[in-house]
Amino acid sequence: NAGVTQTPKFQVLKTGQSMTLQCAQDMNHEYMSWYRQDPGMGLRLIHYSVGAGITDQGEVPNGYNVSRSTTEDFPLRLLSAAPSQTSVYFCATGEAWETQYFGPGTRLLVL
Amino acid sequence: DQQVKQNSPSLSVQEGRISILNCDYTNSMFDYFLWYKKYPAEGPTFLISISSIKDKNEDGRFTVFLNKSAKHLSLHIVPSQPGDSAVYFCAASGSGGGADGLTFGKGTHLIIQP
Repeated sequence: NAGVTQTPKFQVLKTGQSMTLQCAQDMNHEYMSWYRQDPGMGLRLIHYSVGAGITDQGEVPNGYNVSRSTTEDFPLRLLSAAPSQTSVYFCATGEAWETQYFGPGTRLLVL
Repeated sequence: DQQVKQNSPSLSVQEGRISILNCDYTNSMFDYFLWYKKYPAEGPTFLISISSIKDKNEDGRFTVFLNKSAKHLSLHIVPSQPGDSAVYFCAASGSGGGADGLTFGKGTHLIIQP
């Protein structure tokens, strides 16, 4: 997980609150992405970016927003948190899609 | 519709023996396959990968086999060690480095018994 940092490590929100999950990398990778992992499920792609200024939706984008103003940062915004967004969120980076390096994760609980 | 399937939620293997983790996929456009290892409270760690132009790739104790006609791949760990106890995810990506991320299976929890 070296080179990919995620903050916060853990967060509790109330339904309807908004927040931003931060992801930063120092490896100069063009590809960045956000996944969520739910119990008994694999990781599912939320949003991704192939470079600064370019973002696109993954498999489960609803309720989330992203932007990529720099190569290093790829924040994930929850606009109005819902209990269904309780999950563990992983940011990943890579020189290409073929190999992605994951951050340590953010555990989110929405009450 | 699950495109990457790991049908064994858990697998128990004795230390020193071979561990074989299996993965099936349905999307014929996948052309690159990866295995990730995940410990509790940590992010997944890349383990080994294989391109669809190959049928085998080795890295130390880890070997991945790909059978394209069967849309099946497997990860072999020989010999299994206690530190190998973790959840293993199979993942696949589309052709041409397509910007669609990785598609993951649900994972297999490997338990190495002493």
